[in-house]
Amino acid sequence: NAGVTQTPKFQVLKTGQSMTLQCAQDMNHNSMYWYRQDPGMGLRLIYYSASEGTTDKGEVPNGYNVSRLNKREFSLRLESAAPSQTSVYFCASSAGGAGANYGYTFGSGTRLTVV
Amino acid sequence: DQQVKQNSPSLSVQEGRISILNCDYTNSMFDYFLWYKKYPAEGPTFLISISSIKDKNEDGRFTVFLNKSAKHLSLHIVPSQPGDSAVYFCAASGGSYIPTFGRGTSLIVHP
Repeated sequence: NAGVTQTPKFQVLKTGQSMTLQCAQDMNHNSMYWYRQDPGMGLRLIYYSASEGTTDKGEVPNGYNVSRLNKREFSLRLESAAPSQTSVYFCASSAGGAGANYGYTFGSGTRLTVV
Repeated sequence: DQQVKQNSPSLSVQEGRISILNCDYTNSMFDYFLWYKKYPAEGPTFLISISSIKDKNEDGRFTVFLNKSAKHLSLHIVPSQPGDSAVYFCAASGGSYIPTFGRGTSLIVHP
């Protein structure tokens, strides 16, 4: 039972490079989320997808784009990486829609460094 | 402005004693509250939750208390064990609100 799988686990980018973080869940969850975790800042929502075919901005969307490819997969793209995007990125999924009272299942994270 | 606040960045407790982690929220529309536990290099994992219709929820060594009038909740761990050493995140949700997380409290349980 894999749960939420994120790839890659580690990545180093040069400023200006682009990359896509991949996330897949096998729990048939409706909603998927991307968070970033920075020291002292907790978990901040970047984008979310309440259901297949919909995406919405979270608290810190600037510099990112997302694609809900199908019910299982939700990718996060950095078009032109900046040092301020150095962070640990977590993907999560939940059974309910946005705001529903369901717990999240998180992936193990992607540690991204932009130099 | 933070809607969910965990004002203690860290907490140190002796093994066997009680750990109390606190969380305050400002949005009265929140009606469901969750605690997550996070070990280094891992994703957060769900620990315990409470609905606003309750004031207490217990699961083994973990109990969450909710004081709606004060917009305050707390997580009690009794007895604390070294394996409980982790970062604990409080989260709140409700209505159309995406769950909002606090900044976390790092708990260290000393043997």
